[in-house]
Formats: sequence, C-alpha cells, structure tokens
Amino acid sequence: DAGITQSPRHKVTETGTPVTLRCHQTENHRYMYWYRQDPGHGLRLIHYSYGVKDTDKGEVSDGYSVSRSKTEDFLLTLESATSSQTSVYFCAISTQRGDTQYFGPGTRLTVL
Amino acid sequence: GESVGLHLPTLSVQEGDNSIINCAYSNSASDYFIWYKQESGKGPQFIIDIRSNMDKRQGQRVTVLLNKTVKHLSLQIAATQPGDSAVYFCADGSNTGNQFYFGTGTSLTVIP
Repeated sequence: DAGITQSPRHKVTETGTPVTLRCHQTENHRYMYWYRQDPGHGLRLIHYSYGVKDTDKGEVSDGYSVSRSKTEDFLLTLESATSSQTSVYFCAISTQRGDTQYFGPGTRLTVL
Repeated sequence: GESVGLHLPTLSVQEGDNSIINCAYSNSASDYFIWYKQESGKGPQFIIDIRSNMDKRQGQRVTVLLNKTVKHLSLQIAATQPGDSAVYFCADGSNTGNQFYFGTGTSLTVIP
C-alpha cells in the first residue's frame, strides 16, 4: 500500500460522538486525500491537502473536518457522527495535483 | 458532477482467457486516466495509467486503450488468472483539476 497506513482499521461508534481517523504516509508526498466508498458509488472525495496546514473541500465534505500538521499525517474528524457516515474510508497520496493516487488499506466505520 | 461509468457491473471469464473491462468518461477536459484493482477488504491498487496523448499503453499482462473521440477506455487482461478476481474501476482527472472521478467498478470473477 505504498507506505500508507490508516488507523484504526475498524471502528464502531454511536451517533453523536466525535471520531478521528488517521492516515500516515512514509513517502513524503505533498498531496493527501480522504475518500469514502459506499455501495453503488465510486470513491467520493471528502477533503484533500496540498501541504502542511493547506486543505480544501471535496464533493462530500459536510460533517467532516481535516487537519494536517505534519507532512506525513492527515487526520479526518467526524465532529458528530451520524449513521449516514457509516462507510469505508480511504486515504490516498500523490506527489502532485493530477498525478497518480496511491491508496491506503481503508478504515471501516460503523455508526450505530 | 462528473461521472465515470463502467458498462458492465460483473464479468466472468474462464481462467486463461483474456478479459476486457470497459469504462466511459464524460469530462472532455480529462487528460489522465487510471485503472485500479480492488480486492475484497483492501484498498484500491494502481494497475496502469494512460495520458491523453496516447491511445494505447501496455504493462505486464495488461493493456489500456483510450479512445478520446468517444470518451472510452478499456482494460485488457491477458491470460486471466484466479488472482485477477477483483473489482476494477477507472478514474479520470486532469492537471488543472483538484480531484479524480471514480467509477463504481466492474467485478471480475475468474472461473478455474
């Protein structure tokens, strides 16, 4: 998985609780992305980062926030989890915009 | 938003036969295309890519064909093996855009 780890790999939480997912890379790539994958949908971009402290929204950013304080770490936070956020979340990295994205192993999140 | 579609949701092939997986894209500005393989419970894995200045690119047992006129690309897998069983999806993007758009995928099953 191209030097990308995600933690936790599985999480079950309750509606209304905050949740933070972590993506860690050892490739020193500038760009990092968070996607969610749901049945019947292609991967959908939540947020991405183009450098330390530089982030921007994707197409499904409502209810999510991100932070990137170091090149290697990109955090995704669900401020108040809802059942609609039950999904598999993937982190990806790339060297530059529009370049090949390499994916992590994913985090399966269940919100009860 | 943009959409990247696949013509067939499932494909079954005999071991040793060649497989062809198709993909349509809608954005005329897309100039970079990637095929990913995703095995159950894992993250998407890069297979092969192609840029819009090419119409064919070959890798190890895989070939990608791009037809910009009809906005179509295909992935050909030669001598398909059981280990090729997975979901395959395409993605399109551009150097001027901030994200790729992913199709929902075709599930390939290889029959021994």
